[in-house]
Amino acid sequence: KAGVTQTPRYLIKTRGQQVTLSCSPISGHRSVSWYQQTPGQGLQFLFEYFSETQRNKGNFPGRFSGRQFSNSRSEMNVSTLELGDSALYLCASSLDLQETQYFGPGTRLLVL
Amino acid sequence: AQTVTQSQPEMSVQEAETVTLSCTYDTSENNYYLFWYKQPPSRQMILVIRQEAYKQQNATENRFSVNFQKAAKSFSLKISDSQLGDTAMYFCAFMKETSYDKVIFGPGTSLSVIP
Repeated sequence: KAGVTQTPRYLIKTRGQQVTLSCSPISGHRSVSWYQQTPGQGLQFLFEYFSETQRNKGNFPGRFSGRQFSNSRSEMNVSTLELGDSALYLCASSLDLQETQYFGPGTRLLVL
Repeated sequence: AQTVTQSQPEMSVQEAETVTLSCTYDTSENNYYLFWYKQPPSRQMILVIRQEAYKQQNATENRFSVNFQKAAKSFSLKISDSQLGDTAMYFCAFMKETSYDKVIFGPGTSLSVIP
């Protein structure tokens, strides 16, 4: 069974731009979570989606948003990019809300 | 709020030796799950082991085992017969049993296996 896939793997943007990251969960998994990983803050939870609904949200500004489609694929959008948004963005999928999460390889975003 | 602490930012171990990574957590919940994740330099986060709080028996996965002390809120990971491929960042994580809750990660321990 294929693992969690994330596209693109690397991205360079400039301040003020917006970016959309994509995550395809493991087949059959219905829950998708997003995390931001930086050297200073570690792994921080962004949000979780289940059945196309956002179930939980971390402490991030409204510039960070996401959605989930009927096939469980998820997208994350960051608008008005700031230098501090440079990070590795990880997506994780699980069968259900309380099941073990399996992570994708991440998207490394660099904001210049 | 739940917190996860990993007091060892960096550790090293000789190849074939045994190493133990520490993790403590704070929660008022009685039912929850604990995890150890490994993130090698390639950056792909990999699940190492999972423990349900209601199970007294410590989880084991091949060379990886945990020492789960619920009363002490301690969840250490033991790696036996360390291999070069074990070099990675190791994250301890906590998840409540109730619905709609996120996974909380510790700051991580960087483990280097020395040949």
